[in-house]
Amino acid sequence: SQTIHQWPATLVQPVGSPLSLECTVEGTSNPNLYWYRQAAGRGLQLLFYSVGIGQISSEVPQNLSASRPQDRQFILSSKKLLLSDSGFYLCAGRLKAYEKLFFGSGTQLSVL
Amino acid sequence: DAKTTQPPSMDCAEGRAANLPCNHSTISGNEYVYWYRQIHSQGPQYIIHGLKNNETNEMASLIITEDRKSSTLILPHATLRDTAVYYCIVRVAGSSNTGKLIFGQGTTLQVKP
Repeated sequence: SQTIHQWPATLVQPVGSPLSLECTVEGTSNPNLYWYRQAAGRGLQLLFYSVGIGQISSEVPQNLSASRPQDRQFILSSKKLLLSDSGFYLCAGRLKAYEKLFFGSGTQLSVL
Repeated sequence: DAKTTQPPSMDCAEGRAANLPCNHSTISGNEYVYWYRQIHSQGPQYIIHGLKNNETNEMASLIITEDRKSSTLILPHATLRDTAVYYCIVRVAGSSNTGKLIFGQGTTLQVKP
């Protein structure tokens, strides 16, 4: 079965510091991959998605960027974190368009 | 893009059926309806999806109206562990077959003893 690994589970970073969250996939190849963010008490917001290596689409303008250097690796980055970047970040994958999404366990990011 | 509308919250007694409605009046013919749920501070969990026929699995049943403008997720015997936010999502139909899903605010289901 397909599995998404995300780490760390919790992260506290000062404003202005860089960020790198990594997501890796097991059990499948060539998945579509997604980064979502959830602010406290809010729904999930789609940030980025990728249909293949080096292919990134951004859904909303923001302080973050994403990269996909390998088929089963998806990275979320920032050069300088803002307070508004705090939230629960989830990586998700999909085998093909009509299949279900499978999610990682998420990273709770607090920017102070 | 087809949007969904769900009630913000619902209560259900433990052991009773929970019926969660969703409106998707602008759904197009090739768009599926997906249901996920999220327990606090965890990643969402897939429940079920369907196109136009009713579907059932070990977790729930999905009833889609004939005109496909609305659907209902049924948890036949709700337990306290079913307390979660339930998301009804219509798959975005776009180029490149990205399959991206847009999550709304969902329905917070509170199962009470």
